[in-house]
This record gives sequence, C-alpha cells and structure tokens, in this order.
Amino acid sequence: GAVVSQHPSWVICKSGTSVKIECRSLDFQATTMFWYRQFPKQSLMLMATSNEGSKATYEQGVEKDKFLINHASLTLSTLTVTSAHPEDSSFYICSASRVTSSYNSPLHFGNGTRLTVT
Amino acid sequence: DQQVKQNSPSLSVQEGRISILNCDYTNSMFDYFLWYKKYPAEGPTFLISISSIKDKNEDGRFTVFLNKSAKHLSLHIVPSQPGDSAVYFCAANSGGSNYKLTFGKGTLLTVNP
Repeated sequence: GAVVSQHPSWVICKSGTSVKIECRSLDFQATTMFWYRQFPKQSLMLMATSNEGSKATYEQGVEKDKFLINHASLTLSTLTVTSAHPEDSSFYICSASRVTSSYNSPLHFGNGTRLTVT
Repeated sequence: DQQVKQNSPSLSVQEGRISILNCDYTNSMFDYFLWYKKYPAEGPTFLISISSIKDKNEDGRFTVFLNKSAKHLSLHIVPSQPGDSAVYFCAANSGGSNYKLTFGKGTLLTVNP
C-alpha cells in the first residue's frame, strides 16, 4: 500500500530557532501534499496545500512567512517553522495524494511530527 | 465555524457489541465523506468512505451510512474489537480537483474486553 513518511517524528527546539519537517511519498508520486496541524483534543486543521513546482496555497489565518513550504519534487514536501515560539508547539501531519487518482481517492497520511518549542 | 461536527468526544462499547459513531455536517457542497482512524502519535489511517450518491457503503465489519437530507453520517462497527480502540475522525470534501479535507474533532472509541 501507499506509504507517506514524515520526519522527524518529534522535535524539541528553542524559541527563535527554525525547524524543518519532511514529508515523503515512498511508493507513489504526489503532485499535491497537504499540511495539517492538530492541537490536543481538536480536529486536524488544514494549514496549506503544497503543489509540486509551484507556490503553496495557504489557508486563511496561516502565516506563509512563518510556515515555509517547499515541494521541489513529486516525492518530497518540506514545512519549515521559522522563528518558532511556544505557541507553535503542536502536532503537524502531512498527507499526499497520488498523481493519477481521482479526487475521491483517500489521502495517505504521515505519522506526524510532535513539535515542542521551549 | 465547525463544518464537520462529531458531537460525542468519546464512546465506550463492550467487545462484540456494535459501535456507532456519528457525524454531522453543515456544508451542503460536501459530496464525499471519509472516516479515518487514528492512534496516538500517529497519522490518520483511511478506513472507509462514501459518495453522496450512495446512502450506504460496507467493508467487512465497517459500514458507513449517509443521510443527505439530515446532513448526517454514521460509522457502524460490528462486532467491535479491543483493537478498534482509537480516535475516529469524520472528514468531508467537495467536488473538484482538490483533496482538501475538512475534519471533525474526532471521537475516542474504547472497546472493553
């Protein structure tokens, strides 16, 4: 089955530093990847849509200069949390869709990254 | 504005019995619905889906029912097993070339042996 790999699974960083999270599709090509964020006991909130070879599309209220997204290839998207602050501490999850799937194919999710900013 | 609502944060069921997880939505443009299962510190795993042209979809122990007029769907698990214990998310999207999903807050299902 399709596998989406996300790395790292957890990271602790100091306030003011930047953290990069990688999302890879391991056995399929993904023109589109999605980045979600989940706070405790809350739903997954879509942050942005990452499109291979073009700029990401951010959801309302998400700072694009703070959450930098790069989708340089069909198998890799990265999310960089710049100048992280404690309120950025959260669970970040990426998902990917196959190139040839219809829009109704289910997304495949990575295992998420737990970010803690101290 | 919560477009996908799972009003029960938790549900506890005895092993072998039926688990019924409910989901309501407000956006009439949604035409495809999915259920995901999630264990702690892991990403969601796709479970089952249903298109708005159907009112029922079945896959083994899992059945999803859709009532479009009520904007309500439910996931039935029968018989429930302890390994089904997880958070279940209802998700929806609307037609088009995107896969953007809107998720509910999830329901924690606990199946007791």
